[in-house]
Amino acid sequence: EADIYQTPRYLVIGTGKKITLECSQTMGHDKMYWYQQDPGMELHLIHYSYGVNSTEKGDLSSESTVSRIRTEHFPLTLESARPSHTSQYLCASSEAGQVKSGELFFGEGSRLTVL
Amino acid sequence: AQSVTQLDSQVPVFEEAPVELRCNYSSSVSVYLFWYVQYPNQGLQLLLKYLSGSTLVKGINGFEAEFNKSQTSFHLRKPSVHISDTAEYFCAVSDYGGSQGNLIFGKGTKLSVKP
Repeated sequence: EADIYQTPRYLVIGTGKKITLECSQTMGHDKMYWYQQDPGMELHLIHYSYGVNSTEKGDLSSESTVSRIRTEHFPLTLESARPSHTSQYLCASSEAGQVKSGELFFGEGSRLTVL
Repeated sequence: AQSVTQLDSQVPVFEEAPVELRCNYSSSVSVYLFWYVQYPNQGLQLLLKYLSGSTLVKGINGFEAEFNKSQTSFHLRKPSVHISDTAEYFCAVSDYGGSQGNLIFGKGTKLSVKP
């Protein structure tokens, strides 16, 4: 069983609100990721991190930001939510290294609805 | 650039029937290949992976996949499915020596097993 946790699981908020999606893992993994998942679409990588103080943008442009102050914690923030941000956000982690990077452990997801 | 094509968005089958979920990839370099499964309201979990060696790889829950380099395919199979296999299945690719080693996912195939 994966030890990676996301909160909240579900969030409904109004336009313009600031939100932070939390993600924590207890496996000591160096790499962490945020994916955006929409029905019938590929999972899109929006942010990733190689370790503390490392953040990189993924393949899909996103207005969200991330931080990595501690190894186990990788929160995602939207400063001003819009309806276009409505989606499911999946956090994942993996060991570093070329091969191990493909073996991701996922959280259960945060489903965000912006009205 | 790499890409992954899952040819079927939905696959309905009856319980105890065999199933094949198709995946083709496009890459100019050698790759690692993965199948992930997502049960309802959960995150993704690794089902199986191909890194090197034998082209037939076995995973959890009785699934197996065969890497075919000439056809650039990595189809997932199970000889007899159960109701509990109802889930969405994602094929993913990662390239050798890529600077990030991040995964590219397909759009997913929803497997629906009927009694």
